[in-house]
Amino acid sequence: GQNIDQPTEMTATEGAIVQINCTYQTSGFNGLFWYQQHAGEAPTFLSYNVLDGLEEKGRFSSFLSRSKGYSYLLLKELQMKDSASYLCAVRPDSSNTGKLIFGQGTTLQVKP
Amino acid sequence: DSGVTQTPKHLITATGQRVTLRCSPRSGDLSVYWYQQSLDQGLQFLIQYYNGEERAKGNILERFSAQQFPDLHSELNLSSLELGDSALYFCASSGGIGANVLTFGAGSRLTVL
Repeated sequence: GQNIDQPTEMTATEGAIVQINCTYQTSGFNGLFWYQQHAGEAPTFLSYNVLDGLEEKGRFSSFLSRSKGYSYLLLKELQMKDSASYLCAVRPDSSNTGKLIFGQGTTLQVKP
Repeated sequence: DSGVTQTPKHLITATGQRVTLRCSPRSGDLSVYWYQQSLDQGLQFLIQYYNGEERAKGNILERFSAQQFPDLHSELNLSSLELGDSALYFCASSGGIGANVLTFGAGSRLTVL
């Protein structure tokens, strides 16, 4: 089966740093993705990791450890507009499908 | 605008009815994916098509079916609707069979009364 776990909710303060963790147990692994989703809107792509290590993109960074089945998304210099749901997703198949399996999402509330 | 177009944006119907949701992928993308997002669940993968052929199937109910047409647009048909089918239905597209990034449309919100 496929299992992707992330905290349900987190709260942080504007200007601070927050780390959202994700653990996964999937039948296969061919990449881990983070998406941002504002309420009622489409998920938008944030980051992708397929090898171990840290990927940095502006205020957002994502880390992967394949041996531990673990990833985190790090958001720096939090802004109010970062209040959203953050979805961790794994692509379990390396063959002929690019389907993603998503976790339940972490709702982040940024407070002034 | 992500380039993935979904219609209708909102749909209200009654139990037992049938609806069709439509998706046009980004220009050049050959793969289309359908996902369901209910209030109490995350994004659930339903089905994927690549260049007109079914590539992967997820937790799609037998009452649901989909297809991808020669012009690459896709339709998701939901029949014998139940209250529990009320959800946001997202379509996503990507450039190839195993391309990395899925780009999502704005979704179709289905309410079954």
